[in-house]
Amino acid sequence: AQSVTQLDSHVSVSEGTPVLLRCNYSSSYSPSLFWYVQHPNKGLQLLLKYTSAATLVKGINGFEAEFKKSETSFHLTKPSAHMSDAAEYFCVVSDLAGGSYIPTFGRGTSLIVHP
Amino acid sequence: GAGVSQTPSNKVTEKGKYVELRCDPISGHTALYWYRQSLGQGPEFLIYFQGTGAADDSGLPNDRFFAVRPEGSVSTLKIQRTERGDSAVYLCASSSGTSGTDTQYFGPGTRLTVL
Repeated sequence: AQSVTQLDSHVSVSEGTPVLLRCNYSSSYSPSLFWYVQHPNKGLQLLLKYTSAATLVKGINGFEAEFKKSETSFHLTKPSAHMSDAAEYFCVVSDLAGGSYIPTFGRGTSLIVHP
Repeated sequence: GAGVSQTPSNKVTEKGKYVELRCDPISGHTALYWYRQSLGQGPEFLIYFQGTGAADDSGLPNDRFFAVRPEGSVSTLKIQRTERGDSAVYLCASSSGTSGTDTQYFGPGTRLTVL
């Protein structure tokens, strides 16, 4: 069965400093991996996705993530945080374990950005 | 173009009552997903449709929950004999396909409160 663990429930950074949101996954198949962002009172929005092509994936708003199979990780990074990055971030794994691609979401990491 | 819409945005009901939650997907999207998001948790898969048929309903918690998509577009999630534990945000998402790489586009959700 697939699963995903977001290692931090909250991450606090200062504006202009790097962001690291950690995600580890478990999958018996070749998974697809996603990061979604949820701003307050807004719908979930895709940041980026890994689909077995390049292991370093670039997304919107300067975010990127690297797929590391040996570490079963898919950490999300950004070189310089902006106030508008404050939101809830979800790591998602999807594979064919159950016969269809059903995404499994992590519990989320709340990113807090201080001025 | 228009995104995924959900109605109502908020629904307050009493324990034991019946509720219907509606989802309008992006036009032309064949796949439609329902999720439930409890406070402090990531979205949890309930059911997904490919066209008019429920392709996977393994996430429905019990037989009080039912969903339909009669014409392959709008979907309704139906909850009978609501319980306080059903209180959550119900999210709908649509995508153009059901492979593991397809991006899901989420609606803003319906917040259900069962008193």
